[in-house]
Amino acid sequence: EAGVTQFPSHSVIEKGQTVTLRCDPISGHDNLYWYRRVMGKEIKFLLHFVKESKQDESGMPNNRFLAERTGGTYSTLKVQPAELEDSGVYFCASSQYRGLGSTEAFFGQGTRLTVV
Amino acid sequence: AQSVTQPDIHITVSEGASLELRCNYSYGATPYLFWYVQSPGQGLQLLLKYFSGDTLVQGIKGFEAEFKRSQSSFNLRKPSVHWSDAAEYFCAVGEDSNYQLIWGAGTKLIIKP
Repeated sequence: EAGVTQFPSHSVIEKGQTVTLRCDPISGHDNLYWYRRVMGKEIKFLLHFVKESKQDESGMPNNRFLAERTGGTYSTLKVQPAELEDSGVYFCASSQYRGLGSTEAFFGQGTRLTVV
Repeated sequence: AQSVTQPDIHITVSEGASLELRCNYSYGATPYLFWYVQSPGQGLQLLLKYFSGDTLVQGIKGFEAEFKRSQSSFNLRKPSVHWSDAAEYFCAVGEDSNYQLIWGAGTKLIIKP
């Protein structure tokens, strides 16, 4: 069974450009999470989808970030326009259920975004 | 405020030596505690987790962790490290409702031959 897959693995863009990150969760996993790790800092929660609905987007840093999950399958995270402080590693995770006690979340390898 | 502290940014140990990675948390509710590992080029992999019960938790790859409520700690241990354990280790805490975890900044483990 395929794990969580993220595309691209690396992206280097100029300030002001647009970048779209993609996450393909494990098939059948209703819950999808995005996290971000700015260089050297802790990983921070961005948002949580249940199927195609945004359950919690309290961690999204500002309105330059837009996340979608078409048909409850893969998800995209668009940054427009990108700023230097958006550089970091973006992780995606998926789980079948919501509760920590009843399920495990599986993580992708991350997308390393560098804004220059 | 809820937080997780991993006080060691880097730790270097010799192959075959024992290892302890520290994790302290500040969390209002009864926490769910996790250790994840990220090897180079890989995603985050769950090593072990603690929800309740026995405070000494066994995980994969020979790792264990002990929950100490009085010290708000959840330190990760391994009796004898292997070169393949070189990676970055993350401690995280959450509550039951979902995987909106609070993470530590990570500890990079370097193995000396």
